[in-house]
Amino acid sequence: ETGVTQSPTHLIKTRGQQVTLRCSSQSGHNTVSWYQQALGQGPQFIFQYYREEENGRGNFPPRFSGLQFPNYSSELNVNALELDDSALYLCASSAGVESRGNYGYTFGSGTRLTVV
Amino acid sequence: AQSVTQLDSQVPVFEEAPVELRCNYSSSVSVYLFWYVQYPNQGLQLLLKYLSGSTLVKGINGFEAEFNKSQTSFHLRKPSVHISDTAEYFCAVNYPSNDYKLSFGAGTTVTVRA
Repeated sequence: ETGVTQSPTHLIKTRGQQVTLRCSSQSGHNTVSWYQQALGQGPQFIFQYYREEENGRGNFPPRFSGLQFPNYSSELNVNALELDDSALYLCASSAGVESRGNYGYTFGSGTRLTVV
Repeated sequence: AQSVTQLDSQVPVFEEAPVELRCNYSSSVSVYLFWYVQYPNQGLQLLLKYLSGSTLVKGINGFEAEFNKSQTSFHLRKPSVHISDTAEYFCAVNYPSNDYKLSFGAGTTVTVRA
């Protein structure tokens, strides 16, 4: 059974650019969530996708967007990058919205984004 | 407002000593509670979770946590720590009103010294 994999592990972007981060969910999981973890802080919820549709969003601007594909892999896109977007971006998958608590969330190792 | 408070930002501890990490949450309804560990340059690993039933929950690596509904707390404990327990620990809550997300505390850094 494979876990959650994220790519790339690190990347550096310039302010104003766009970035796409990728996530492959754990086998059997159809729900994926994205979190932003700034240095020295706890993860903050960005949004969640269930069966290819966004079904929850945190307090992030529209320039943060996402996709979920039929194989339940996912992308996080961030447009017009700002310096404050520098953070570790974590992807988490779970077995389904209805089981969000019962089955727990499996996290990937994250993508470290640095905006300069 | 919903919030998760980890009362200690840093906890230094000697090897083989006990450790307790404190977590309080705000809620008047039932919640699901989690503790995650994050080793340097890694993602989050689930230590344990409370969904219902017994208030004492046992997790991996010898950790356990006790749910106290009246005090809205979910403190994490380990009777004897190892150097390898040096990491960041996060308490997280799943609120029914926001049932699609986890709300995390700010984290507690545990440093185990020989």
